Amino acid sequence: GAGVSQSPRYKVTKRGQDVALRCDPISGHVSLYWYRQALGQGPEFLTYFNYEAQQDKSGLPNDRFSAERPEGSISTLTIQRTEQRDSAMYRCASSPQALDGYGYTFGSGTRLTVV
Amino acid sequence: SQQGEEDPQALSIQEGENATMNCSYKTSINNLQWYRQNSGRGLVHLILIRSNEREKHSGRLRVTLDTSKKSSSLLITASRAADTASYFCATDGWAAGNKLTFGGGTRVLVKP
Repeated sequence: GAGVSQSPRYKVTKRGQDVALRCDPISGHVSLYWYRQALGQGPEFLTYFNYEAQQDKSGLPNDRFSAERPEGSISTLTIQRTEQRDSAMYRCASSPQALDGYGYTFGSGTRLTVV
Repeated sequence: SQQGEEDPQALSIQEGENATMNCSYKTSINNLQWYRQNSGRGLVHLILIRSNEREKHSGRLRVTLDTSKKSSSLLITASRAADTASYFCATDGWAAGNKLTFGGGTRVLVKP
């Protein structure tokens, strides 16, 4: 597609449930990034991929969070046993190559609310 | 943790005035970027400046970079109501693992 697509746009889940957030990057973009953004704050890095390889997962808060990009295109961020503190906007971005010097294209995000 | 810190946190100006915001960072960088976020919407890439550049222009935007002071500024000239948004600086570099690290943002309000 023309842009980065994220689904669902909104997700309300009960505490303790698992959720899966999907990101469809721009076709051909090598690098894919996941960020989390709390209201009024800047995006916080979670993890990123080059092709299907997870390059850095240092931003994942704990082992309830995981991400995959099995075919080097669509990625899924999974949160197990959700907690209220997981509520935030989750943003995905992609860039053309693994090299630096490219701006990221962000999706519209998934707003997760854990009740 | 956030690499960049924007200053001021909030800025209110009249339409037609210039808006200036600053960003400071901690570790050496390869590139510094500025993004805009309109209320509740996605982040839009505005401009990228490399560590060996000192100034860059794009339309009404002017970005400067001073690597000796580890700081950057974004100037929006002749502001418009549509420029009302949050502006974030973001840096990347080998020290940070080659991913973008964002600051907390400057919230700009342009009053008509």
